[in-house]
Amino acid sequence: QSALTQPPSASGSPGQSVTISCTGTSSDVGTYKLVSWYQQHPGKAPKLMIYEVSKRPSGVPDRFSGSKSGNTASLTVSGLQAEDEADYYCTSYAGTNNWVVFGGGTKLTVL
Amino acid sequence: QVQLQESGPGLVKPSETLSLTCSVSGGSTSGYFWSWIRQPPGKGLEWIAYVYDSGFTNYNPSLRSRVTISVDTSNNQFSLRLSSVTAADTAVYFCARIMSGLAAFDVWGQGTMVSVSS
Repeated sequence: QSALTQPPSASGSPGQSVTISCTGTSSDVGTYKLVSWYQQHPGKAPKLMIYEVSKRPSGVPDRFSGSKSGNTASLTVSGLQAEDEADYYCTSYAGTNNWVVFGGGTKLTVL
Repeated sequence: QVQLQESGPGLVKPSETLSLTCSVSGGSTSGYFWSWIRQPPGKGLEWIAYVYDSGFTNYNPSLRSRVTISVDTSNNQFSLRLSSVTAADTAVYFCARIMSGLAAFDVWGQGTMVSVSS
């Protein structure tokens, strides 16, 4: 069982927006502003999409945005495109001992 | 740009030790934290360990008793050893660079599949 809880699936039509949640506890998401999101296409390595809750690495489209409220972080993908269909994983810093914990992943389907 | 490449046996026998190396090209291991992450077939990601160029390490508590991570700055690579493996250790193993102080992995290797079977 993963430390962070994500819905197993999400979907949307091209052009629509979809939001994926990532629920942790006061020991991780609720305390630290070190939430990241990764996109993984089948057979590929994960790609960093969001770090520090809402910052985008260079090259990541601004259609991807992140936020956090309490113990729950969220990734929103606006203007859905076919290439956004992938698995998405969240992570959070969880202190010096556990360091980073992952969510179980969400499969995003573009209808 | 920095690129990472994992290498090592694709098949390990139960109870033996899994050994992998990650070669860093286009940049130096110096000044960064480096990590191993794994993904069992059809499942999610799990952080294993990280190492700094000084040799400072940190391990996932669930694997700490079996894992050793090390860095070889002279050869620009870092390594993972996982002892007493079982079928549950079958996974794709990724090496990755950590963004300093941000607990985020910004550069990843392509991953290498390791199966544990007799």
